Amino acid sequence: DADVTQTPRNRITKTGKRIMLECSQTKGHDRMYWYRQDPGLGLRLIYYSFDVKDINKGEISDGYSVSRQAQAKFSLSLESAIPNQTALYFCATSLHSGGAINEQFFGPGTRLTVL
Amino acid sequence: GNSVTQMEGPVTLSEEAFLTINCTYTATGYPSLFWYVQYPGEGLQLLLKATKADDKGSNKGFEATYRKETTSFHLEKGSVQVSDSAVYFCALSDPYNGNQFYFGTGTSLTVIP
Repeated sequence: DADVTQTPRNRITKTGKRIMLECSQTKGHDRMYWYRQDPGLGLRLIYYSFDVKDINKGEISDGYSVSRQAQAKFSLSLESAIPNQTALYFCATSLHSGGAINEQFFGPGTRLTVL
Repeated sequence: GNSVTQMEGPVTLSEEAFLTINCTYTATGYPSLFWYVQYPGEGLQLLLKATKADDKGSNKGFEATYRKETTSFHLEKGSVQVSDSAVYFCALSDPYNGNQFYFGTGTSLTVIP
């Protein structure tokens, strides 16, 4: 039972196309994140959102935008895809609870290929 | 700034061998430390964590101790199994930066029978 779901799981698109990756969660978490994973580079943070009205840029936000439509939904858009955005994209969630450091829960990933 | 450095792979071990994956960190404050595991075709799952110095995290036979003096959080397992084959990520969470996570580059482990 996947509590963090991502759609689509795989996508091939062409340079210049607009594409949206979607993330939904049923965990009731307030914080959501988008990462990309590249071989040899690990995970890099693209954007994160602490609640519906709080969205922040991560390490590599150029070329991406996000929308937090509801607490449970956080989508990532590539306005004009380019080949070096070919990567594995992960959505993650966490729950803020006072001073506690809480783990992030990851979705299954979306493999995006830009030709 | 914050960063995590972990040993490069790939690592190949025989079943029942001892595993160590080194992880060191740089942090501005007092981070929490994590090990995540990624099985083929899946997302990352939390393996273990430690929230303060000298804490030991453990799960499924894996252990890691938060060493502030050496800024390290090495992952160990006494006897690996084929099912442990995966990519392992060390990460830190910065409490002074909204608990943002910083991940290492990952270490691929293959265990052969």
